[in-house]
Amino acid sequence: LAKTTQPISMDSYEGQEVNITCSHNNIATNDYITWYQQFPSQGPRFIIQGYKTKVTNEVASLFIPADRKSSTLSLPRVSLSDTAVYYCLVGDTTGANNLFFGTGTRLTVIP
Amino acid sequence: GAVVSQHPSWVICKSGTSVKIECRSLDFQATTMFWYRQFPKQSLMLMATSNEGSKATYEQGVEKDKFLINHASLTLSTLTVTSAHPEDSSFYICSASGTSGINEQFFGPGTRLTVL
Repeated sequence: LAKTTQPISMDSYEGQEVNITCSHNNIATNDYITWYQQFPSQGPRFIIQGYKTKVTNEVASLFIPADRKSSTLSLPRVSLSDTAVYYCLVGDTTGANNLFFGTGTRLTVIP
Repeated sequence: GAVVSQHPSWVICKSGTSVKIECRSLDFQATTMFWYRQFPKQSLMLMATSNEGSKATYEQGVEKDKFLINHASLTLSTLTVTSAHPEDSSFYICSASGTSGINEQFFGPGTRLTVL
């Protein structure tokens, strides 16, 4: 079971870039890395998924080093509406690893 | 995109009664659906995995006789909390995955259950 470790909380000012790092030292060869965002009293929302190097979409970027033992979610120019909990999950397309949520990182954006 | 709905969005019931929560995949066929529970300020905890037409697989510590799961079709799964008690009060979230695999999980909006 691939376990993930993230900082419990982070604060950032509006307009800044935020980088949230996730450690997954025992990631398996077939595992992908997926990040979700959750607002209070809502279901998690998919942000981004990657396997290696860098992935970018309209919302965020995901940086994965060559050893894949960690990954960094980068949110450009955060706004107050980005205040949420961010979860990193690791798993493959057929296994159950991707179903277990860690503690997540509670991001608070300050005006 | 893939949309998952839950009904009801919130429910209040008396202790000892049963409550049914529905999870529907609106625009895709969900071969597998998952049920999570989330207590305030905590992470999501997987309760069970259900595949259409077969019995659900429960995680350790989750009472299968208390949390009845039915996945009768490729678009509907239900979770029934039987004889609910105040400690069952929680936020229940379902997710669904289609033919592309478990990595493609689409989450419902959640159901807030309060047991008085």
